[in-house]
Amino acid sequence: NAGVTQTPKFQVLKTGQSMTLQCAQDMNHEYMSWYRQDPGMGLRLIHYSVGAGITDQGEVPNGYNVSRSTTEDFPLRLLSAAPSQTSVYFCASRPQGRTGNTIYFGEGSWLTVV
Amino acid sequence: RKEVEQDPGPFNVPEGATVAFNCTYSNSASQSFFWYRQDCRKEPKLLMSVYSSGNEDGRFTAQLNRASQYISLLIRDSKLSDSATYLCVSLRGSNYQLIWGAGTKLIIKP
Repeated sequence: NAGVTQTPKFQVLKTGQSMTLQCAQDMNHEYMSWYRQDPGMGLRLIHYSVGAGITDQGEVPNGYNVSRSTTEDFPLRLLSAAPSQTSVYFCASRPQGRTGNTIYFGEGSWLTVV
Repeated sequence: RKEVEQDPGPFNVPEGATVAFNCTYSNSASQSFFWYRQDCRKEPKLLMSVYSSGNEDGRFTAQLNRASQYISLLIRDSKLSDSATYLCVSLRGSNYQLIWGAGTKLIIKP
């Protein structure tokens, strides 16, 4: 009964380093997404996927890559970390369709880029 | 201008008071609306969906006014445990995108 599992919970990176935030869900949801949350900004969509092999950009995609090789996994890659990417990242999944009330979040990843 | 706007607060209210949050949205194509609650350093969690006719869940009442593009949340008899940030969310588009407000922080004082 894991739901959405997101790792790591905390990470400190140096500018220019790369890393991958992992996200996995066990609910067979078609729709998965990554958000970042900054103070006073609410959740902003980075990338999303409506199924395996399909990804698309959200509101703030620059500096991030995603892939969806399986229904379960949706990793987020930071290619060359910048201080502006210091934020809290949330992975989420839900069934495709008009389902804003059935979204499941991971517990968040706190990323600091120095 | 953000597509979903909320008063950032914080709202400091005494325990037992009634508090109202307002939210406006600018995209008339928005289809559905929700209120989420987020505790400090935690993920958002669904509080309630918002229906056109208005809906109530215990001490919480949500209203939607499509003509004015306005959503509200009323909390009656507030408890200390209601302290959190309340996020207004709209759903729109062919991919059913969720658009999040920045949230209103509520602090309930004993």
